[in-house]
Amino acid sequence: DVKVTQSSRYLVKRTGEKVFLECVQDMDHENMFWYRQDPGLGLRLIYFSYDVKMKEKGDIPEGYSVSREKKERFSLILESASTNQTSMYLCASSFGADTQYFGPGTRLTVL
Amino acid sequence: GQNIDQPTEMTATEGAIVQINCTYQTSGFNGLFWYQQHAGEAPTFLSYNVLDGLEEKGRFSSFLSRSKGYSYLLLKELQMKDSASYLCAVTGSGGATNKLIFGTGTLLAVQP
Repeated sequence: DVKVTQSSRYLVKRTGEKVFLECVQDMDHENMFWYRQDPGLGLRLIYFSYDVKMKEKGDIPEGYSVSREKKERFSLILESASTNQTSMYLCASSFGADTQYFGPGTRLTVL
Repeated sequence: GQNIDQPTEMTATEGAIVQINCTYQTSGFNGLFWYQQHAGEAPTFLSYNVLDGLEEKGRFSSFLSRSKGYSYLLLKELQMKDSASYLCAVTGSGGATNKLIFGTGTLLAVQP
Protein backbone atom coordinates (compact mmCIF):
# COMPACT_ATOMS: atom_id res chain seq x y z
CA ASP A 1 0.00 0.00 0.00
CA VAL A 2 1.09 3.52 -0.76
CA LYS A 3 1.92 5.47 2.34
CA VAL A 4 2.13 9.25 2.46
CA THR A 5 2.93 10.75 5.84
CA GLN A 6 2.98 14.33 7.03
CA SER A 7 5.03 15.61 9.92
CA SER A 8 2.19 16.99 12.03
CA ARG A 9 -1.59 16.57 12.21
CA TYR A 10 -2.09 19.86 14.05
CA LEU A 11 0.15 22.92 14.21
CA VAL A 12 -0.29 26.33 15.84
CA LYS A 13 2.06 29.15 14.87
CA ARG A 14 2.23 32.91 15.32
CA THR A 15 2.12 35.54 12.62
CA GLY A 16 5.55 36.11 11.11
CA GLU A 17 6.97 32.73 12.08
CA LYS A 18 8.69 30.51 9.51
CA VAL A 19 6.79 27.24 9.17
CA PHE A 20 7.97 23.95 7.70
CA LEU A 21 5.55 21.22 6.66
CA GLU A 22 7.13 17.92 5.74
CA CYS A 23 5.76 15.15 3.55
CA VAL A 24 7.27 11.72 2.94
CA GLN A 25 6.10 8.99 0.55
CA ASP A 26 7.40 5.44 0.36
CA MET A 27 6.41 4.37 -3.16
CA ASP A 28 9.19 5.97 -5.22
CA HIS A 29 6.68 8.31 -6.88
CA GLU A 30 8.26 11.04 -8.97
CA ASN A 31 5.39 13.51 -8.55
CA MET A 32 4.57 15.20 -5.26
CA PHE A 33 2.02 17.91 -4.57
CA TRP A 34 1.01 20.39 -1.88
CA TYR A 35 -2.61 21.54 -1.62
CA ARG A 36 -4.55 23.62 0.80
CA GLN A 37 -8.20 22.91 1.50
CA ASP A 38 -10.63 25.57 2.68
CA PRO A 39 -14.42 25.39 3.15
CA GLY A 40 -16.25 26.36 -0.01
CA LEU A 41 -13.03 26.55 -2.04
CA GLY A 42 -12.08 22.91 -2.25
CA LEU A 43 -8.55 21.67 -2.83
CA ARG A 44 -6.21 24.19 -4.42
CA LEU A 45 -2.74 23.36 -5.70
CA ILE A 46 0.08 25.37 -4.16
CA TYR A 47 3.17 23.77 -5.69
CA PHE A 48 4.16 20.48 -7.20
CA SER A 49 7.36 18.68 -8.04
CA TYR A 50 7.96 16.13 -10.78
CA ASP A 51 11.52 15.23 -9.84
CA VAL A 52 14.22 15.91 -7.27
CA LYS A 53 15.09 19.61 -7.14
CA MET A 54 12.34 20.38 -9.68
CA LYS A 55 9.29 22.42 -8.77
CA GLU A 56 6.43 24.18 -10.47
CA LYS A 57 3.96 26.73 -9.19
CA GLY A 58 0.39 25.69 -8.79
CA ASP A 59 -2.62 27.95 -8.66
CA ILE A 60 -1.85 29.76 -5.38
CA PRO A 61 1.94 29.82 -4.79
CA GLU A 62 2.12 33.29 -3.22
CA GLY A 63 3.51 33.23 0.30
CA TYR A 64 4.86 29.69 -0.04
CA SER A 65 8.02 27.97 -1.20
CA VAL A 66 8.97 24.30 -1.51
CA SER A 67 12.00 22.09 -1.35
CA ARG A 68 12.64 18.64 -2.78
CA GLU A 69 16.16 17.46 -2.03
CA LYS A 70 15.27 13.75 -1.99
CA LYS A 71 12.75 11.87 -4.08
CA GLU A 72 10.69 10.71 -1.10
CA ARG A 73 10.46 14.06 0.69
CA PHE A 74 8.68 17.28 -0.28
CA SER A 75 8.64 20.24 2.08
CA LEU A 76 6.32 23.23 2.10
CA ILE A 77 7.69 26.42 3.65
CA LEU A 78 5.77 29.44 4.82
CA GLU A 79 8.48 32.10 5.01
CA SER A 80 6.44 34.44 7.22
CA ALA A 81 3.15 32.94 8.30
CA SER A 82 0.02 35.06 8.10
CA THR A 83 -3.48 34.50 9.47
CA ASN A 84 -4.88 33.93 5.96
CA GLN A 85 -2.66 30.86 5.73
CA THR A 86 -4.70 29.13 8.41
CA SER A 87 -5.93 26.06 6.56
CA MET A 88 -5.75 22.30 6.08
CA TYR A 89 -2.63 21.39 4.12
CA LEU A 90 -2.61 18.13 2.17
CA CYS A 91 0.35 16.45 0.52
CA ALA A 92 -0.07 13.92 -2.30
CA SER A 93 2.14 11.80 -4.54
CA SER A 94 1.66 9.98 -7.81
CA PHE A 95 3.43 7.98 -10.48
CA GLY A 96 3.05 9.79 -13.79
CA ALA A 97 -0.56 10.64 -14.56
CA ASP A 98 -1.83 7.95 -12.22
CA THR A 99 -3.90 8.31 -9.09
CA GLN A 100 -2.72 10.78 -6.49
CA TYR A 101 -2.41 9.39 -2.96
CA PHE A 102 -2.91 11.78 -0.11
CA GLY A 103 -1.37 12.13 3.31
CA PRO A 104 -3.53 12.65 6.44
CA GLY A 105 -3.23 16.43 6.31
CA THR A 106 -1.88 19.11 8.63
CA ARG A 107 -4.34 21.54 10.16
CA LEU A 108 -2.36 24.77 10.57
CA THR A 109 -3.62 27.64 12.67
CA VAL A 110 -1.79 30.97 12.49
CA LEU A 111 -2.55 33.30 15.38
CA GLY B 1 -10.76 29.23 -18.01
CA GLN B 2 -11.43 26.10 -16.00
CA ASN B 3 -14.50 25.31 -13.98
CA ILE B 4 -15.73 22.22 -12.18
CA ASP B 5 -19.22 22.24 -10.69
CA GLN B 6 -20.75 19.90 -8.16
CA PRO B 7 -23.73 20.32 -5.83
CA THR B 8 -22.64 21.55 -2.43
CA GLU B 9 -24.74 19.20 -0.32
CA MET B 10 -27.02 16.19 -0.76
CA THR B 11 -29.06 14.08 1.63
CA ALA B 12 -30.13 10.47 1.09
CA THR B 13 -31.60 7.60 3.06
CA GLU B 14 -29.79 4.47 4.15
CA GLY B 15 -30.33 1.67 1.61
CA ALA B 16 -31.23 4.06 -1.20
CA ILE B 17 -29.36 5.09 -4.36
CA VAL B 18 -27.83 8.55 -4.84
CA GLN B 19 -26.26 10.17 -7.90
CA ILE B 20 -23.72 12.96 -7.51
CA ASN B 21 -23.19 15.02 -10.65
CA CYS B 22 -20.10 16.84 -11.83
CA THR B 23 -19.80 19.13 -14.85
CA TYR B 24 -16.52 20.53 -16.08
CA GLN B 25 -15.17 23.08 -18.51
CA THR B 26 -11.41 22.84 -18.81
CA SER B 27 -8.79 23.72 -21.41
CA GLY B 28 -7.80 20.13 -22.09
CA PHE B 29 -8.97 16.85 -20.60
CA ASN B 30 -7.30 13.49 -20.00
CA GLY B 31 -9.51 11.91 -17.40
CA LEU B 32 -11.75 12.39 -14.38
CA PHE B 33 -11.24 11.15 -10.83
CA TRP B 34 -13.66 10.73 -7.96
CA TYR B 35 -12.37 10.82 -4.40
CA GLN B 36 -14.11 10.24 -1.07
CA GLN B 37 -13.16 12.33 1.95
CA HIS B 38 -14.48 11.70 5.45
CA ALA B 39 -14.44 14.64 7.84
CA GLY B 40 -10.94 15.35 9.12
CA GLU B 41 -9.35 12.71 6.91
CA ALA B 42 -7.43 12.58 3.62
CA PRO B 43 -9.19 12.08 0.29
CA THR B 44 -9.14 8.47 -0.88
CA PHE B 45 -9.39 7.30 -4.48
CA LEU B 46 -12.72 5.91 -5.70
CA SER B 47 -12.63 5.83 -9.50
CA TYR B 48 -11.00 7.08 -12.67
CA ASN B 49 -12.74 7.51 -16.03
CA VAL B 50 -10.88 8.13 -19.25
CA LEU B 51 -13.34 6.86 -21.85
CA ASP B 52 -17.06 7.54 -22.17
CA GLY B 53 -19.31 5.14 -20.34
CA LEU B 54 -19.94 3.55 -17.00
CA GLU B 55 -17.27 2.04 -14.72
CA GLU B 56 -18.68 -0.18 -12.00
CA LYS B 57 -16.87 -1.09 -8.81
CA GLY B 58 -19.02 -2.79 -6.22
CA ARG B 59 -21.61 -0.39 -4.80
CA PHE B 60 -19.98 2.56 -6.56
CA SER B 61 -20.18 3.37 -10.28
CA SER B 62 -18.88 6.35 -12.21
CA PHE B 63 -20.03 7.61 -15.59
CA LEU B 64 -18.33 9.94 -18.05
CA SER B 65 -19.50 11.79 -21.15
CA ARG B 66 -16.57 13.71 -22.63
CA SER B 67 -18.70 15.43 -25.28
CA LYS B 68 -21.00 16.84 -22.59
CA GLY B 69 -18.30 17.59 -20.02
CA TYR B 70 -20.29 15.56 -17.51
CA SER B 71 -19.72 12.83 -14.99
CA TYR B 72 -21.67 11.28 -12.17
CA LEU B 73 -20.90 9.05 -9.22
CA LEU B 74 -23.61 6.55 -8.35
CA LEU B 75 -23.74 5.06 -4.87
CA LYS B 76 -26.06 2.09 -4.35
CA GLU B 77 -27.33 0.47 -1.15
CA LEU B 78 -26.26 3.47 0.86
CA GLN B 79 -24.71 2.88 4.25
CA MET B 80 -24.22 5.34 7.09
CA LYS B 81 -20.45 5.16 6.56
CA ASP B 82 -20.96 6.64 3.06
CA SER B 83 -21.59 10.02 4.72
CA ALA B 84 -18.62 12.00 3.41
CA SER B 85 -17.54 14.60 0.87
CA TYR B 86 -17.17 13.40 -2.70
CA LEU B 87 -14.64 15.26 -4.82
CA CYS B 88 -14.62 15.38 -8.59
CA ALA B 89 -11.21 16.15 -10.17
CA VAL B 90 -10.09 16.58 -13.77
CA THR B 91 -6.64 15.88 -15.16
CA GLY B 92 -5.13 17.19 -18.37
CA SER B 93 -6.25 20.78 -18.09
CA GLY B 94 -3.81 23.02 -19.93
CA GLY B 95 -2.01 19.97 -21.23
CA ALA B 96 -0.66 19.04 -17.81
CA THR B 97 -1.14 15.32 -17.45
CA ASN B 98 -0.06 15.01 -13.84
CA LYS B 99 -2.03 17.86 -12.28
CA LEU B 100 -5.56 17.66 -10.92
CA ILE B 101 -8.15 20.42 -10.83
CA PHE B 102 -10.68 19.75 -8.07
CA GLY B 103 -14.30 20.72 -7.67
CA THR B 104 -15.36 22.06 -4.29
CA GLY B 105 -16.87 18.70 -3.31
CA THR B 106 -20.35 17.42 -2.50
CA LEU B 107 -21.14 16.74 1.15
CA LEU B 108 -23.40 13.69 1.33
CA ALA B 109 -25.39 13.01 4.49
CA VAL B 110 -26.91 9.54 4.78
CA GLN B 111 -29.85 9.41 7.17
CA PRO B 112 -31.35 6.32 8.84
